[in-house]
Amino acid sequence: AQTVTQSQPEMSVQEAETVTLSCTYDTSESDYYLFWYKQPPSRQMILVIRQEAYKQQNATENRFSVNFQKAAKSFSLKISDSQLGDAAMYFCAYSAFWGKLIFGQGTTLQVKP
Amino acid sequence: DAGVIQSPRHEVTEMGQEVTLRCKPISGHDYLFWYRQTMMRGLELLIYFNNNVPIDDSGMPEDRFSAKMPNASFSTLKIQPSEPRDSAVYFCASSSRDRGDGYTFGSGTRLTVV
Repeated sequence: AQTVTQSQPEMSVQEAETVTLSCTYDTSESDYYLFWYKQPPSRQMILVIRQEAYKQQNATENRFSVNFQKAAKSFSLKISDSQLGDAAMYFCAYSAFWGKLIFGQGTTLQVKP
Repeated sequence: DAGVIQSPRHEVTEMGQEVTLRCKPISGHDYLFWYRQTMMRGLELLIYFNNNVPIDDSGMPEDRFSAKMPNASFSTLKIQPSEPRDSAVYFCASSSRDRGDGYTFGSGTRLTVV
């Protein structure tokens, strides 16, 4: 069965600094999708970034980028120039063939002014 | 597009009552998912549909829970009878494989059973 693991329950970063959130997953599939979602206190689930497993290039969205290591089954999220608005719970998620989306346990990110 | 629309946003009910949560997916999306979020168990997939047909309901906790999707633009999740341990935030999400859209979530329904 596919699983997603986020080993950091909480992280903190100073405003304007860079932080990396870790995620590992387990699957026997060769093609799949990986996601990072942000959940602020409003509880809305917001898609941050998406990576397709067959693409070698790491996805980037403005200040957010990923380090996708397929062989190691690792998918970390880097947030550059952290802002107060980045404070939220971050979830790593996996899906194969647009079927069910499986989530990790989440990492709470605190941004210190 | 207005996104995935869920109602109600909040629901408080007494133990033993029937609760119905509603979801309108994004037009053109052919997958619909129901998730439950709690502090203890995180985000759990309850059930998902493809083209209105339930594909996997293995996450539905027990017979008190049922979900339907009578057409492409509407789905319900019903709990009957409700219990205090059902208190959680329930999310609906939709996606489209053909359109390559990501999974879009509704704003969730916070259910409190007293």
